[in-house]
Amino acid sequence: GAGVSQSPSNKVTEKGKDVELRCDPISGHTALYWYRQSLGQGLEFLIYFQGNSAPDKSGLPSDRFSAERTGGSVSTLTIQRTQQEDSAVYLCASSPRDSGRADTQYFGPGTRLTVL
Amino acid sequence: KNQVEQSPQSLIILEGKNCTLQCNYTVSPFSNLRWYKQDTGRGPVSLTIMTFSENTKSNGRYTATLDADTKQSSLHITASQLSDSASYICVVRRGSQGNLIFGKGTKLSVKP
Repeated sequence: GAGVSQSPSNKVTEKGKDVELRCDPISGHTALYWYRQSLGQGLEFLIYFQGNSAPDKSGLPSDRFSAERTGGSVSTLTIQRTQQEDSAVYLCASSPRDSGRADTQYFGPGTRLTVL
Repeated sequence: KNQVEQSPQSLIILEGKNCTLQCNYTVSPFSNLRWYKQDTGRGPVSLTIMTFSENTKSNGRYTATLDADTKQSSLHITASQLSDSASYICVVRRGSQGNLIFGKGTKLSVKP
């Protein structure tokens, strides 16, 4: 079946503009994660959705970042008033459930965001 | 502080050779440890997952080891192939419901 898809694959924007990044998880996966991968850095956790539970937003770096997951499927990560330090690859991952022991995450290809 | 440190940062080997990548962690409490392979421009793909009681696990030419006492893991690649060129990321789960802590990865280049 289809894997996790993300769009757009590349996004170039001007400082101060808002951007929306989309993630389509694998069908049936209840857990969805957003990560940020800056050049030369490890993956940085941003936000986690699990079913109908309140999302874990503890990784969002500022209030300019927000995410929604509609209908338990598609998710949108929104960055308002983008800054140059927001430039990174934004990765989305989904997993069938979050058992804590065997919850392999399946990653999308990422969206490369460049803020000029 | 909960951290995952990987070494070396980068590695170049000749096709057919073996190599070993290292991962040291200070994450507590420990739940499990994963190795991911990330090809350039792609998302990470899981290679192995190991829990506290597991010392070694293989996936084809990839063999991961875990020493929970010393908080060290290694990923051994045998008979390397050009397609093994990628970043290898060590990831530790903090607690059964905690966040994943990612290492910065080791960039492996396999040359013909």
